[in-house]
Amino acid sequence: DAGITQSPRHKVTETGTPVTLRCHQTENHRYMYWYRQDPGHGLRLIHYSYGVKDTDKGEVSDGYSVSRSKTEDFLLTLESATSSQTSVYFCAISESGQNNEKLFFGSGTQLSVL
Amino acid sequence: AQSVSQHNHHVILSEAASLELGCNYSYGGTVNLFWYVQYPGQHLQLLLKYFSGDPLVKGIKGFEAEFIKSKFSFNLRKPSVQWSDTAEYFCAVIPDNQGGKLIFGQGTELSVKP
Repeated sequence: DAGITQSPRHKVTETGTPVTLRCHQTENHRYMYWYRQDPGHGLRLIHYSYGVKDTDKGEVSDGYSVSRSKTEDFLLTLESATSSQTSVYFCAISESGQNNEKLFFGSGTQLSVL
Repeated sequence: AQSVSQHNHHVILSEAASLELGCNYSYGGTVNLFWYVQYPGQHLQLLLKYFSGDPLVKGIKGFEAEFIKSKFSFNLRKPSVQWSDTAEYFCAVIPDNQGGKLIFGQGTELSVKP
């Protein structure tokens, strides 16, 4: 398996609190992605990064921010969590953004916002 | 905005039946196309991909997909499914000018009855 670790694996939080999810890779890949997976919606792209300090919005970026201060870490922050952000969050990494022949996914973070 | 549509939300088949899952995308330029599979409790895995060349591509486990540019479609097929094919299947697209932005469809859950 690729060296990609998401933390925490599970989190329960209350509405209005800030939450940060971490994705850590040891592959030195340039591209990193944050998706959320919800029944009936598949995987929806929240934000992605194409290099250190280079990020862009995905389809469902409202309420989320990201930071990538070094190659190996891509942080997803919910500034003020809402119940609609209850979901499973997946990080993915890729060496080549266009080809994605080697796109690896993390194990996911189950987030519950009460 | 670019989008990917998978027409079937849930498909139920008996073993040995043939499978076809629909996928359409809404982008007029060049795209790279993918099918991923997610077995229960596991990560997404790449089934097959299309970048260029022969529009009929073969993937792992007997799956194939056909790219029909005029229909903006990339349907997944398998002549004879097995119980072990029970999983969720995701179509995904990278438009050529999106710097690696991988967009998923909403997924199709396949249940194969033994």
